[in-house]
Amino acid sequence: NAGVTQTPKFQVLKTGQSMTLQCAQDMNHNSMYWYRQDPGMGLRLIYYSASEGTTDKGEVPNGYNVSRLNKREFSLRLESAAPSQTSVYFCASSEAFGVTAYEQYFGPGTRLTVT
Amino acid sequence: QKEVEQNSGPLSVPEGAIASLNCTYSDRGSQSFFWYRQYSGKSPELIMFIYSNGDKEDGRFTAQLNKASQYVSLLIRDSQPSDSATYLCAVIRDSGGSNYKLTFGKGTLLTVNP
Repeated sequence: NAGVTQTPKFQVLKTGQSMTLQCAQDMNHNSMYWYRQDPGMGLRLIYYSASEGTTDKGEVPNGYNVSRLNKREFSLRLESAAPSQTSVYFCASSEAFGVTAYEQYFGPGTRLTVT
Repeated sequence: QKEVEQNSGPLSVPEGAIASLNCTYSDRGSQSFFWYRQYSGKSPELIMFIYSNGDKEDGRFTAQLNKASQYVSLLIRDSQPSDSATYLCAVIRDSGGSNYKLTFGKGTLLTVNP
């Protein structure tokens, strides 16, 4: 089992460019999440998908869109990248959603730089 | 007041000592509490979770929750150099529908000195 995989691992974009971060899990989990992590800011939830077919905004959704393609895959799209979106992005999944989502499994992260 | 607060550290303890990590939260409706460990350059991994007031022990780790005082702590007994990492506190409140809130603290950097 690979767990949670993310592609790419590193990316440099120019301001205004678009890109999609890919995430896949092979644990048959129902719920998936996208976070960003910035120095001094901790992990912040961007979007989540409680189950296949649903998505909801987290704490910092502006400038991002998501697609839950199927049960395995959850992508994050930046339509027009800005330097403020320079960050490390983590995808995570969990078997259950809500207060019982006691373990989230994280992917290795994507380090994104926007110049 | 920040929603989930942690002392950023660094917290430095000698090998074999007890490391005590603290987290306070502002939302009284918070329902579940988690401690994640994150090594430098790596992704977070779950250490402990706790839902009820009191202590929960797992090996060298003990999580303590006091909802009245709105704090949760993590004790690491017999600290090892391999415990050196950033420890993240996370809090969940789920009021149903789209009213789901998961908030991480900024983390406490722990250094265990041989």
